[in-house]
Amino acid sequence: QSALTQPASVSGSPGQSITISCTGTSSDVGGYNYVSWYQQHPDKVPKLMIYDVSNRPSGVSNRFSGSKSGNTASLTISGLQAEDEADYYCSSSTTTSALYVFGTGTKVTVL
Amino acid sequence: EVQLVESGGGLVQPGRSLRLSCAASGFMFDDYAMHWVRQPPGKGLEWVSGISWNSGKVGYADSVKGRFTISRDNAKNSLYLQMNSLGPEDTALYYCSKPLKLHRGVFESWGQGTMVTVSS
Repeated sequence: QSALTQPASVSGSPGQSITISCTGTSSDVGGYNYVSWYQQHPDKVPKLMIYDVSNRPSGVSNRFSGSKSGNTASLTISGLQAEDEADYYCSSSTTTSALYVFGTGTKVTVL
Repeated sequence: EVQLVESGGGLVQPGRSLRLSCAASGFMFDDYAMHWVRQPPGKGLEWVSGISWNSGKVGYADSVKGRFTISRDNAKNSLYLQMNSLGPEDTALYYCSKPLKLHRGVFESWGQGTMVTVSS
């Protein structure tokens, strides 16, 4: 099971919107509405930001939103803030014997 | 408050074994599937293994299948990962993770991790 493909880095200025893509196959992203997104600050534990493609857990800012089209899921951060600078990972259920797979990770830089 | 505390990591020689433990508290442990996720130094997250609430279903990443065994003891609110035939590629921070209620593959809560270093 190969990792889902994410851009290595995405950057934006404060207040702007950025979008991170997460590309898989019909065996994972395209086959399920079970895509999640995680934020990880340096030396910190990952934090769940989005689940089931577009649902936000309680306490997560509504500046974070998720969507999916075909085999590609996306995380959009609106009104970019300095505190959003972190690594972001997507994950998905898969039809393979390895039940879940993460993305390669994207480093978000706030300019 | 959910607490997950991993232990058992350390420095181990290639080919040897190690057993990780995760002590859970603050929730009904036997209501949830549980997972191990690892992160090599400076690299991304990798799902390693998961187990259903009653141990009836387990799954492994291809990279560890046949070498790692996940188990749990609901009476002790504990999750385990037996790791055999360890190689340098297994060097990573190993996290125990509790999923979101009714969402087995959504990693809601994470421990602080236990570091495993495989080196001679």
